[in-house]
Amino acid sequence: GAGVSQSPSNKVTEKGKDVELRCDPISGHTALYWYRQSLGQGLEFLIYFQGNSAPDKSGLPSDRFSAERTGGSVSTLTIQRTQQEDSAVYLCASSLVQDNYNEQFFGPGTRLTVL
Amino acid sequence: GNSVTQMEGPVTLSEEAFLTINCTYTATGYPSLFWYVQYPGEGLQLLLKATKADDKGSNKGFEATYRKETTSFHLEKGSVQVSDSAVYFCALSAYGNKLVFGAGTILRVKS
Repeated sequence: GAGVSQSPSNKVTEKGKDVELRCDPISGHTALYWYRQSLGQGLEFLIYFQGNSAPDKSGLPSDRFSAERTGGSVSTLTIQRTQQEDSAVYLCASSLVQDNYNEQFFGPGTRLTVL
Repeated sequence: GNSVTQMEGPVTLSEEAFLTINCTYTATGYPSLFWYVQYPGEGLQLLLKATKADDKGSNKGFEATYRKETTSFHLEKGSVQVSDSAVYFCALSAYGNKLVFGAGTILRVKS
């Protein structure tokens, strides 16, 4: 079946502009996660959603970052007033349920470059 | 807080050599442990996992045993192939299923 998909695959933007990154999780997966992969910081957690519960935003690096998940499916990560340090690969993952034992399936990522 | 430490790379081996990539962790409670792999140009994919102490995860000839007494989850393979060249990430999942990753180890296998 279809895996996690993300769009766009690449995004180049100018400093100060806003960007939106999209994630389509695997159908039926109730948990959705965003991570960031960068040279300096490795792989770091940003935010996750579980069903209709309030999202865990504890990994968001600043208030310029926000995310929403509509209808329990598609999620959008928004970065306002982008900075050069936001350049990274943004990864989305989903899992069947939110607990320690379920595998997280990752999408191919969106490579964001802020000039 | 929770953290994962894995050996720095790159690790360069000849085909059919034995592979060990060390991974140790710090966590409260009883985390699940994972190895993820990222092949060139591809996304992260789960290689193996273990959810409790003394469990052994295995897949594609790779193995790792959850050692609570040494807080370790070392990855091993008896005979590596060129196709195993990739970046390997050790990770843990504790409260809330957020994954905490190690820095990653680049493996290069020469023919």
